[in-house]
Amino acid sequence: DGGITQSPKYLFRKEGQNVTLSCEQNLNHDAMYWYRQDPGQGLRLIYYSQIVNDFQKGDIAEGYSVSREKKESFPLTVTSAQKNPTAFYLCASSVLTPGLDIQYFGAGTRLSVL
Amino acid sequence: KNQVEQSPQSLIILEGKNCTLQCNYTVSPFSNLRWYKQDTGRGPVSLTIMTFSENTKSNGRYTATLDADTKQSSLHITASQLSDSASYICVVSARDSGYALNFGKGTSLLVTP
Repeated sequence: DGGITQSPKYLFRKEGQNVTLSCEQNLNHDAMYWYRQDPGQGLRLIYYSQIVNDFQKGDIAEGYSVSREKKESFPLTVTSAQKNPTAFYLCASSVLTPGLDIQYFGAGTRLSVL
Repeated sequence: KNQVEQSPQSLIILEGKNCTLQCNYTVSPFSNLRWYKQDTGRGPVSLTIMTFSENTKSNGRYTATLDADTKQSSLHITASQLSDSASYICVVSARDSGYALNFGKGTSLLVTP
């Protein structure tokens, strides 16, 4: 069954704690992305990666970190420096060919602060 | 500044009726425009993608139009079903921008019996 798998579906963070959101894809896509979605807001890009061992900051990277050690995996860590982490986090992947680079999204992780 | 504006913000229609959602953008230089459907608590799913040279594209009961001159797009839903209740997001990409997608805030559609 091909697609993008995000886990966990729900996550709770205590103050001062780092948490890691998982994103795995078996679509053989080169590019992977992390977005944050807040109520009534459009998706905002946190980080993206176009190749293994390389990634770039998006519009709201502060307080987040990522790694891309494998093509299939792009985990996102929400660090204690992110003061307002409560949001719906979406991972996506795509091919790099312009015009064919439709982004396929995972089901999302909803992060809340205890 | 690249912007994507969607209207209306929310819409309620009766099952079986048609509706049209609007998207205006200022993204330049334009590359392509996508419409996504996002069910509550789920990730967005692509409905259509249109490039500069395309002015209409259909996907079942969904038909998207694009006027690149006026920088407007619409998504028309025909014979709505209860399962069409979702948020519809317009996304515009700029040429040579690589990763950068510009997301609208979405139109929340509720189809009632």
